[in-house]
Formats: sequence, structure tokens, C-alpha cells
Amino acid sequence: EVQLLESGGGLVQPGGSLRLSCAASGFSFGSYAMTWVRQAPGKGLEWVSGITGFGSGHYADSVKGRFTISRDNSKNTVNLQMNSLTAEDTAIYYCARPYANSYLDHWGQGTLVTVSS
Amino acid sequence: EIVLTQSPDFQSVTPKENVTITCRASQSIGANLHWYQQKPDQSPKLLIKYASQSISGVPSRFSGSGSGTDFTLTIISLESEDAAAYYCHQSGTFPQTFGQGTKVEIK
Repeated sequence: EVQLLESGGGLVQPGGSLRLSCAASGFSFGSYAMTWVRQAPGKGLEWVSGITGFGSGHYADSVKGRFTISRDNSKNTVNLQMNSLTAEDTAIYYCARPYANSYLDHWGQGTLVTVSS
Repeated sequence: EIVLTQSPDFQSVTPKENVTITCRASQSIGANLHWYQQKPDQSPKLLIKYASQSISGVPSRFSGSGSGTDFTLTIISLESEDAAAYYCHQSGTFPQTFGQGTKVEIK
């Protein structure tokens, strides 16, 4: 059974940093790209970042230059380093698995990031 | 960035009615368009992949169509459990993007 478990969310002050992690199990992790999607309170889904199995990252314009995605295939984890956080980054952050770099067939339960003073 | 525009934003529907949600892309994405359902306090769930391909375990009343820039999600004979937000998602070009969502309420 595919499982994705996010961690690392919490309260951070504006301008601060936070590192999210997603622990994956139940599939051959290194063979899959991975994705982060976020959802601000009461709002829709926003694609944030994706990383290929080889480690090539892509970013939404809204986070480019501030967020960095990485992965550790030996630990089956994907990380999202978030810097220079603003209130607009407040959201639930979901880890999701894209099948063949396309549709997101498995999602984690999400981790809440709150940026506030 | 490819912009996906869904319509309507909100729909209030009686059980057994049919529902149609459209998703228009700002440029052609072929069939790289997928649909998700999100119920309150739950993670999104994949409904349709590649515009029209069904997903195992998803009720047959959900179907998708379209290609290029215009796509449709149809729910035949809506059931009360279908109250949710529905999102389209394009994977054709980075950055990938989602539509703004359509909330379906049961009358």
C-alpha cells in the first residue's frame, strides 16, 4: 500500500524558514517523481514544486527562488526547504505522487504551515 | 504558465441531476488534464486521468471528455456523497497548474 506521510509543519514568523519532509513507502520510490501541492485556508489547490526521480526540480512562479525541493532515495523521502516565508505561504502542504510525471494518484494527509507574527 | 479556468465556481444541485463542469486551458495541453475530488477535511482524490480515462474504484457516473484546451467533467445522476470541490490539473507543462475549483453543493 502506498503511503505518504508529511511532517515539519508549524508556526513560523514572516521571513523565517521551515523544512517539510514527506516519507514514502509501499512503492519503488526512486522510480517516481514527487510533488508538493498546497492549499491556503478556504482556497483551492496550488501546485508548488515537483522533482524527478533523478533530482531535477521545478517550481511555481510564486515560490521560485525561495523554496528548494530535494529528495533522498536512500531514505525514501522528499523535502521542501522554504525560506523567506510570508503570510501568503500559509497553507496545508500536501505531498503527492505523480504517475509517469502526470496525474497525482496518491496524496498524503498534509501538514499545516502557518506564517504569522 | 498555463492558466486553467473552471466554470462554474459553484453549483447547487438536486440529487439525481446531472452536473457538468468545464475546464479551459490558456494553451493546448493535449490530453494532459486530470480531475480530482476533494471533500471537506480530506485530501484530494483522483477521479479521471488524461481527460477521459477512468480510475479503478471511481463510480461510473463520473466521466471526462475533451482535448487541447477545452475539457469537461460530467457527473450523471448526482448522489449526496458527491458534494465536494472538483479541480482540474494540467501536467503537460511545468509549472503544472490547477483550476480554481468548482464547489458542488447538494440542495
